[in-house]
Amino acid sequence: EPEVTQTPSHQVTQMGQEVILRCVPISNHLYFYWYRQILGQKVEFLVSFYNNEISEKSEIFDDQFSVERPDGSNFTLKIRSTKLEDSAMYFCASRVRGPQNIQYFGAGTRLSVL
Amino acid sequence: SQQGEEDPQALSIQEGENATMNCSYKTSINNLQWYRQNSGRGLVHLILIRSNEREKHSGRLRVTLDTSKKSSSLLITASRAADTASYFCASMYSGGGADGLTFGKGTHLIIQP
Repeated sequence: EPEVTQTPSHQVTQMGQEVILRCVPISNHLYFYWYRQILGQKVEFLVSFYNNEISEKSEIFDDQFSVERPDGSNFTLKIRSTKLEDSAMYFCASRVRGPQNIQYFGAGTRLSVL
Repeated sequence: SQQGEEDPQALSIQEGENATMNCSYKTSINNLQWYRQNSGRGLVHLILIRSNEREKHSGRLRVTLDTSKKSSSLLITASRAADTASYFCASMYSGGGADGLTFGKGTHLIIQP
């Protein structure tokens, strides 16, 4: 069964460093998303991406964040200068075109900022 | 309460019993979905109910939606140990082009063998 894959599963970085989290969405999906989940808290929407541009972003997705689809398969989330509070589980999701908005999630990348 | 708040926050029942989780939301919605998250894993879509539906079934899952109360419930019948997970409701705001899902804090369900 097709699935969303994320790498790495765990990323440890020093405060102020740049990190890139990688995702390979399901191949025929057209809409892509990043969410984060701080330990013990709810899953929070960060950004949605369609047709090679951001279609929606939340207040969390500030200038420190960027997304890119560098080729036909990868979808990346970059954090330019990590802060301690960026430590969280980051989930990538994708879906097909359609009104129902059923999203398929990857297993996540745990980001630990020291 | 915030969009997509579930209760209870934690629920422990015996295998074979039914588990009921509730969710409340604030804004108008197109549909409401329920997702499951096993420990350390991503979210898996379980069931979707449209705003014009009141009840929906899928296997051992039953979802209800009350748009007048802005609430939904998820019932898992004849629970199994494998149902142990966190369950989240998720809604999509019906106004504008937004399609990011808004999740609640979730109900952590433990099925005791």
